[in-house]
Amino acid sequence: EDKVVQSPLSLVVHEGDTVTLNCSYEVTNFRSLLWYKQEKKAPTFLFMLTSSGIEKKSGRLSSILDKKELSSILNITATQTGDSAIYLCAVETGANNLFFGTGTRLTVIP
Amino acid sequence: EAGVAQSPRYKIIEKRQSVAFWCNPISGHATLYWYQQILGQGPKLLIQFQNNGVVDDSQLPKDRFSAERLKGVDSTLKIQPAKLEDSAVYLCASSAPVGAPRYFGPGTRLLVL
Repeated sequence: EDKVVQSPLSLVVHEGDTVTLNCSYEVTNFRSLLWYKQEKKAPTFLFMLTSSGIEKKSGRLSSILDKKELSSILNITATQTGDSAIYLCAVETGANNLFFGTGTRLTVIP
Repeated sequence: EAGVAQSPRYKIIEKRQSVAFWCNPISGHATLYWYQQILGQGPKLLIQFQNNGVVDDSQLPKDRFSAERLKGVDSTLKIQPAKLEDSAVYLCASSAPVGAPRYFGPGTRLLVL
């Protein structure tokens, strides 16, 4: 059965801290791994990682894909209160199916 | 570029009533998805359209859920009759070429009483 597991389930940090969110997966015919940020309702696309692009960076956010370990991490440096959200990891298969994890709820305290 | 549009944003109904949600994807996106997200869980695919054809509806409870995308652009998702366990956020997403990221709309939060 295809599955995506995220850890931790929730995390509380202070502004300025650096956080690392984890995602591991077991899927048939992996194609890509995506990270989304969900505030209130709509997941907002952050990164897509594939075999040809295993590391992405945008501002204070960066992500790495480890295809050998079937996992990915999302790093956020110098966290701000606006980073508070649920971070979703999703894995797309060759059959164009997208499986989501349950998310990590990040709370950044001023 | 306008994003995925959805309406309504919120809906409260009683069980056994019917409800419909509307979605307009990003212009030019051929693929449209409906997801159900229950509180505390990740989104789960209900149905996927490629233009106006259904690609995957294996997870759609067809005894009560239906969806259409008649002209290959906007789409409606209907629930009839609703059950308590249908309370969730219904997300619409669209994507362009295969393998491109899916972009989500703001969702509709449904509460069934």
